[in-house]
Amino acid sequence: KQEVTQIPAALSVPEGENLVLNCSFTDSAIYNLQWFRQDPGKGLTSLLLIQSSQREQTSGRLNASLDKSSGRSTLYIAASQPGDSATYLCAVRRRDNYGQNFVFGPGTRLSVLP
Amino acid sequence: DVKVTQSSRYLVKRTGEKVFLECVQDMDHENMFWYRQDPGLGLRLIYFSYDVKMKEKGDIPEGYSVSREKKERFSLILESASTNQTSMYLCASSLFRGRYWREGREADTQYFGPGTRLTVL
Repeated sequence: KQEVTQIPAALSVPEGENLVLNCSFTDSAIYNLQWFRQDPGKGLTSLLLIQSSQREQTSGRLNASLDKSSGRSTLYIAASQPGDSATYLCAVRRRDNYGQNFVFGPGTRLSVLP
Repeated sequence: DVKVTQSSRYLVKRTGEKVFLECVQDMDHENMFWYRQDPGLGLRLIYFSYDVKMKEKGDIPEGYSVSREKKERFSLILESASTNQTSMYLCASSLFRGRYWREGREADTQYFGPGTRLTVL
């Protein structure tokens, strides 16, 4: 059974710092991995999606990497801003009968202090 | 931009009531999903649908049913609401053409609605 964990559960950094969020999954047989952002009381916003054949994806100040063999992904945020404060979730798309199910991690709550 | 809307942001119901949660997407997506999100448990898939009138159970379907009569609309039904169904309910959709997996960022990316916070008293 696929399990996804995220470390740390919460992180607080001063504005301007570069930071790394971690995501681990137990079964390396995945189709892809997606990073989301969730603001309090709101839905999820997709940030980046990495296919299983890829090693990384970049969007602006965000860079996500994937090491399928070790079951790890990292989300790197450069020059953090207070507006980056949110909960960040990763989700892996597992290889089941229809290949459509995502398994989500519990999230990392990020606070960027001005 | 993809837009996924949910019928209510907040809902309060009594135990035993029948509850309908509606989700509508405007981008002709084939796949639609219902999740619930609980502190400490994260997001868990209740049901998903890959086509009109087609549905598949997710990880926690017990106590729920779904309906997809039109491509753009996916409804979650609580036949007899119970207090343990108090939760945040999130709807999502993705393009994903066809029932079987094909690689493609555009096809796989999930777009979420704002969520419905349901309280069952």
